[in-house]
Amino acid sequence: DAGVIQSPRHEVTEMGQEVTLRCKPISGHDYLFWYRQTMMRGLELLIYFNNNVPIDDSGMPEDRFSAKMPNASFSTLKIQPSEPRDSAVYFCASSFGTSGYNEQFFGPGTRLTVL
Amino acid sequence: SQQGEEDPQALSIQEGENATMNCSYKTSINNLQWYRQNSGRGLVHLILIRSNEREKHSGRLRVTLDTSKKSSSLLITASRAADTASYFCATASGGGADGLTFGKGTHLIIQP
Repeated sequence: DAGVIQSPRHEVTEMGQEVTLRCKPISGHDYLFWYRQTMMRGLELLIYFNNNVPIDDSGMPEDRFSAKMPNASFSTLKIQPSEPRDSAVYFCASSFGTSGYNEQFFGPGTRLTVL
Repeated sequence: SQQGEEDPQALSIQEGENATMNCSYKTSINNLQWYRQNSGRGLVHLILIRSNEREKHSGRLRVTLDTSKKSSSLLITASRAADTASYFCATASGGGADGLTFGKGTHLIIQP
């Protein structure tokens, strides 16, 4: 398996533009997580899905952020409109079973820069 | 919010020495996990220790867990230059919450 795949790897955009980040989890995994990493706040859980259903989105910072998982092999994280403070590395991770008992597999991340 | 807090924030040692990193957390947990992140890369799972376990080994890694003190330690023995990375502890609290809560990490530098 190729592991968790994220695209793009780097994204530079201007304030106010829409940004869409993409993730393909490991085949067979039933949990998908979106994290954001910054120097100031470290790694933060934004939202996670179980069997394509959003379970907890309490980490999503604002209404400008939205995430979808239309099927078991694809998820998107959208920021509209983007702001400079959204600049961060965004990670997608997947697992088979709950984190209560299992490891998560992380993608390489998308480095987002909002000018 | 940050559950795990690693200590120290940064650690520099000579190749061949042992490296010890500590993690403290605040609430009850199902398990505690350690991850490594090389510069510019994603996180890689190292080891998972369940709340009813006290010690676990994996190759050159040794993890301990003290639930009474809400703390864990990661020991890397006979360090190598390739161990240079940031190390994070992450907790899973269970109770229906499936996401991991990460600390801010320890940046480990192995001097050749």
